[in-house]
Amino acid sequence: DAGVIQSPRHEVTEMGQEVTLRCKPISGHDYLFWYRQTMMRGLELLIYFNNNVPIDDSGMPEDRFSAKMPNASFSTLKIQPSEPRDSAVYFCASSPDTSSYEQYFGPGTRLTVT
Amino acid sequence: AQKITQTQPGMFVQEKEAVTLDCTYDTSDPSYGLFWYKQPSSGEMIFLIYQGSYDQQNATEGRYSLNFQKARKSANLVISASQLGDSAMYFCAMRGLTGGGNKLTFGTGTQLKVEL
Repeated sequence: DAGVIQSPRHEVTEMGQEVTLRCKPISGHDYLFWYRQTMMRGLELLIYFNNNVPIDDSGMPEDRFSAKMPNASFSTLKIQPSEPRDSAVYFCASSPDTSSYEQYFGPGTRLTVT
Repeated sequence: AQKITQTQPGMFVQEKEAVTLDCTYDTSDPSYGLFWYKQPSSGEMIFLIYQGSYDQQNATEGRYSLNFQKARKSANLVISASQLGDSAMYFCAMRGLTGGGNKLTFGTGTQLKVEL
């Protein structure tokens, strides 16, 4: 299996621009997670989906952030408009079901907003 | 709510020695799982080991073992025979297994440096 795939791996954008991060989970995994990692706040869960349905978005920082999962093999995290404080590494992870132990992480997208 | 505390921001160990990375947790969930992940400088998150709160024995995976002390709410990671490739950031995490949900709560991490 190819593992969790994220694109782009690096994104540099100017403040105010829209940013879209993409994720393809491992085939057959029912859960998909979006995390953000910064030096100040560590690893934070932003939102997670079960069977394409958002279950918990309490970690989404504000209305500028939105996430979708239109089908079982694709999810997006969108920031509009982006701000410098959004600069971070964004990870996507997936897991088969609640009885499974680990979450499988993608390589991450390093976002820099100037 | 769950909380993970890793009090060691950085650790050094000599190659071939064993090292213990500390992790304490707090939760009101009667059933929970504890995890350790490794993040090398390349940035990916690599799952290492899992311990369920009702598991009778401490988990082991190759050179990794988890020293689980439930009464003390600690879940320390022990790496035996350290290798240079073990130099990385290590994160302890947990999730509740009752009440639904599949959220992982992470600690702040410990940066491990293995020296010759």
